[in-house]
Amino acid sequence: DAKTTQPPSMDCAEGRAANLPCNHSTISGNEYVYWYRQIHSQGPQYIIHGLKNNETNEMASLIITEDRKSSTLILPHATLRDTAVYYCIVWNFNKFYFGSGTKLNVKP
Amino acid sequence: DGGITQSPKYLFRKEGQNVTLSCEQNLNHDAMYWYRQDPGQGLRLIYYSQIVNDFQKGDIAEGYSVSREKKESFPLTVTSAQKNPTAFYLCASSTRRGASTYNEQFFGPGTRLTVL
Repeated sequence: DAKTTQPPSMDCAEGRAANLPCNHSTISGNEYVYWYRQIHSQGPQYIIHGLKNNETNEMASLIITEDRKSSTLILPHATLRDTAVYYCIVWNFNKFYFGSGTKLNVKP
Repeated sequence: DGGITQSPKYLFRKEGQNVTLSCEQNLNHDAMYWYRQDPGQGLRLIYYSQIVNDFQKGDIAEGYSVSREKKESFPLTVTSAQKNPTAFYLCASSTRRGASTYNEQFFGPGTRLTVL
């Protein structure tokens, strides 16, 4: 089963784009990449998911490399409320595999 | 309001006692999940159920038990066999069944269990 690797923490200035990388070099062809975030002591919240193509919704954009071995979550205009732990997850139609995530600190 | 409820938010138990954590959803979701989270760590899957009266072990099922007698409810029992039960427990549900390619999981607020 594919696992993910993310930097433990990142800083971002308020109003700037936050680019969160994720490595999933062992992902299989039919496995999806999901992103969730968790604000302190709350349940995780779904952000976006994708298979091959880049995806965009009202919260974020997901860029997946052509070889699918890595992806980047983009928050276009980070706010203080975006401070959270962001999880990159591979879904194998059976289970989610959560890693340790990236703690994003958005600073004024 | 549709959603997932977990109760209680904080739970204290003495070592050696079994304790049951409640999880209820009114989203009409087929699948339900239990995760454990330790400080500074990601979520680890304990058990999951994709249909009533059926459930599967996750990655860390030892010392836990579940039941799925109703679609809306998926209680988790932390038994005395669980060696380190103090943790944050999260319940989730999703609509996914079968080969659907979409699996957004909706999470409850969590129960923080402390075993003294």
